[in-house]
Amino acid sequence: QVQLQESGPGLVKPSQTLSLTCSVSGGSIDINNYYWTWIRQPAGKGLEWIGRIYNGGETDYNPSLNSRASISVDASKKQFSLRLTSVTAADTAVYFCATCRIPGRTDVFDIWGQGTMVTVSS
Amino acid sequence: IWMTQSPRSLSVTPGEPASISCRSSQGLLIYLDWYLQKPGQSPRLLIHSTSSRASGVPDRFSGSGSGTDFTLTISRVEPEDVGVYYCMQAKQTPFAFGPGTTVNI
Repeated sequence: QVQLQESGPGLVKPSQTLSLTCSVSGGSIDINNYYWTWIRQPAGKGLEWIGRIYNGGETDYNPSLNSRASISVDASKKQFSLRLTSVTAADTAVYFCATCRIPGRTDVFDIWGQGTMVTVSS
Repeated sequence: IWMTQSPRSLSVTPGEPASISCRSSQGLLIYLDWYLQKPGQSPRLLIHSTSSRASGVPDRFSGSGSGTDFTLTISRVEPEDVGVYYCMQAKQTPFAFGPGTTVNI
């Protein structure tokens, strides 16, 4: 059973870079063969798809983030990461990592991490 | 692709049916999924590909629809079904969630 766990600083200063890591555990899994996604949720609000990485390095991002997001993967550590540059208070949210283990689909999130709260404040 | 949901809030009686509507700004083929987020938890996949129940999801949950109009139906609401329900289009990136429907008893 694949499990995901987010980690990273809970507090980031405005204009700095937010960096989060999602660790993948459970089962014998080749991280390069799956799609790995980041989603966020401001307090009391809805869900926003940030982006994904797949095939070992191909990426898609939400244009709403104005090219501030980048996702990378470290297969040797079974981790994938999110970097979000030039953060503002609007980036304060719970950040989730997620993946799809449903045969025939790559874009359904049936496995989620527990989420990590990131606050942007000086 | 933009997503809307109605109603935004729904008060239900245990044992009674309930339904939530989701509409997209473009046709989604079958690529519409439903998630339930209970307070303090990560979202949980309920329905994928319009009408396929995810593993472990009770059969009182069903999904239907086509094109731009989709529906999540709970045949008999249970107290544990409270939470926020989100639809999500997975036809093209950026994937987009609906604004959510809060279901309470």
